Amino acid sequence: GDSVTQTEGPVTVSESESLIINCTYSATSIAYPNLFWYVRYPGEGLQLLLKVITAGQKGSSRGFEATYNKETTSFHLQKASVQESDSAVYYCALGDQGGRALIFGTGTTVSVSP
Amino acid sequence: DPKIIQKPKYLVAVTGSEKILICEQYLGHNAMYWYRQSAKKPLEFMFSYSYQKLMDNQTASSRFQPQSSKKNHLDLQITALKPDDSATYFCASSPRGNNQAPLFGEGTRLSVL
Repeated sequence: GDSVTQTEGPVTVSESESLIINCTYSATSIAYPNLFWYVRYPGEGLQLLLKVITAGQKGSSRGFEATYNKETTSFHLQKASVQESDSAVYYCALGDQGGRALIFGTGTTVSVSP
Repeated sequence: DPKIIQKPKYLVAVTGSEKILICEQYLGHNAMYWYRQSAKKPLEFMFSYSYQKLMDNQTASSRFQPQSSKKNHLDLQITALKPDDSATYFCASSPRGNNQAPLFGEGTRLSVL
């Protein structure tokens, strides 16, 4: 079936260090998967961080980047230098072109220490 | 200002009762959705509506009934509440067209005692 697996948290990093959150997907029933990263900051709702709809392309937002790799079925999220304000829960998600149900990973809690 | 409004933010209910979760979006989107996140589980898709019509239902229980009185509203009625229904319920919406990313509300956190 279709599924998303991401780094199990919590992940703790120090400010200015790099961060990578792994995400791999299985899209057996989706011909052209769309991939998303959502973020939930403390006390806030779920926000779209970035999306990529074409294999081989990279999305970026707020210093984060993720490349849609069809060969390895991965969509890892990276940031070169994190800030305390990046502390949040990050969710990888998989969808189809038609905008139907998204399939989410379990979320990765990231804590950035000063 | 939030463009997807969910009310209430927190809700406590007793087993067997009925509650309605409210969702309104002011983004001009024609597709609306409900998702649920139980403790330590991923967000799970429940329903999708397009132009006020049910498109997809992945909720096994008929105790969950979406209601769309206006095109920018999609409420969720839950009857005969059970403790297992305790979760955060997220409303989302997206514009017409392919490859759109749903935008989410802040959620309603429901606790069933």
